[in-house]
Amino acid sequence: QQPVQSPQAVILREGEDAVINCSSSKALYSVHWYRQKHGEAPVFLMILLKGGEQKGHDKISASFNEKKQQSSLYLTASQLSYSGTYFCGTEGAGNTPLVFGKGTRLSVIA
Amino acid sequence: NAGVMQNPRHLVRRRGQEARLRCSPVKGHSHVYWYRQLPEEGLKFMVYLQKENIIDESGMPKERFSAEFPKEGPSILRIQQVVRGDSAAYFCASSPRQGHYYGYTFGSGTRLTVV
Repeated sequence: QQPVQSPQAVILREGEDAVINCSSSKALYSVHWYRQKHGEAPVFLMILLKGGEQKGHDKISASFNEKKQQSSLYLTASQLSYSGTYFCGTEGAGNTPLVFGKGTRLSVIA
Repeated sequence: NAGVMQNPRHLVRRRGQEARLRCSPVKGHSHVYWYRQLPEEGLKFMVYLQKENIIDESGMPKERFSAEFPKEGPSILRIQQVVRGDSAAYFCASSPRQGHYYGYTFGSGTRLTVV
């Protein structure tokens, strides 16, 4: 079951914050976040495991609420380099391959 | 520290021809995944392989598509008798193990165009 991401697209000015959500109808064991720039490979950002943990590096962080089967990615004080499409990938029990959402296109403008 | 290498980057095939896409995983990674991406779409899982074994091919069409990951050499995704609908970007990813703790490293993809 493909996770649902929202919003589909967002435009920010440099320095603004954004939240990208990812929700699933299935029980999740972990959530991965990736960023893909146009014409390039998706790049791994972080994994969140069940247990409701929150992670972050630099000004990008994420949370995972396993009871609600939701994860959110937080981008604070956005930079031009944050532009790209963000994908969440979800993993259920049984070590199954990641299932990705359709992505959220983020554009940061000066 | 080479990442996942995919080739070719671009491939043009006429309808009815065969397409072979190659993927060399990160050194030491024994798990390979193939995904397909259409414009404005997410990454659709196709097949998951370990060395010499297909673990999960639930996302791969039963006809015309096949995949392998031999003991020696790259993983190959093969599409026989291509049709226009096969035009897409095909990404390969690898991980050191399957499991909840490992992120995937993606290659730069092969963009297949069927004319």
